[in-house]
Amino acid sequence: AQKVTQAQTEISVVEKEDVTLDCVYETRDTTYYLFWYKQPPSGELVFLIRRNSFDEQNEISGRYSWNFQKSTSSFNFTITASQVVDSAVYFCALSSYSGYSTLTFGKGTMLLVSP
Amino acid sequence: EPEVTQTPSHQVTQMGQEVILRCVPISNHLYFYWYRQILGQKVEFLVSFYNNEISEKSEIFDDQFSVERPDGSNFTLKIRSTKLEDSAMYFCASTGTLSAEQFFGPGTRLTVL
Repeated sequence: AQKVTQAQTEISVVEKEDVTLDCVYETRDTTYYLFWYKQPPSGELVFLIRRNSFDEQNEISGRYSWNFQKSTSSFNFTITASQVVDSAVYFCALSSYSGYSTLTFGKGTMLLVSP
Repeated sequence: EPEVTQTPSHQVTQMGQEVILRCVPISNHLYFYWYRQILGQKVEFLVSFYNNEISEKSEIFDDQFSVERPDGSNFTLKIRSTKLEDSAMYFCASTGTLSAEQFFGPGTRLTVL
């Protein structure tokens, strides 16, 4: 069975602070995919990134960066110089390489960025 | 940019009534999904659909639930006899190829009274 753990329920920061959202996963699969989605207060789910298990290269996209560590089964997400618009719930998710790409989500981390 | 759409945005129903939630996936996508999110909780998989049949389903997706692709564009989720615990946000998603990211619709908030 697959499992995603986001231990941080809620994080509050002040604008311009850096913040890291943790994600730890469990899977028996040797090949799998990891995702981050953002859910702003309006409720929709916005795709941020997909990473496959055989590519451990870290990725940076603007103020966002992701650190994938297969050895510790972690896929952490850092926002640099946070902004009020980053306030949202962030979900980490996992899917198997086989099957129909069903996503297993973590419980989410609510990020509150205050001015 | 193409997007997944869902209607209605909010549905209120009485317990025991049937509801149909509608989705229009991205037009060239082949794989379709329904997920639900009870308020304040995580997003949970319900069912996946490919080639006009269910490909996978979770234990949540019992006999009260059904899905259909009645034409070339719509993808529907039917709940036959709603229960209070069916109150949730229901998200439709689609993807063009397996392992690619799933694109989610804006969701339908279902409230069962």
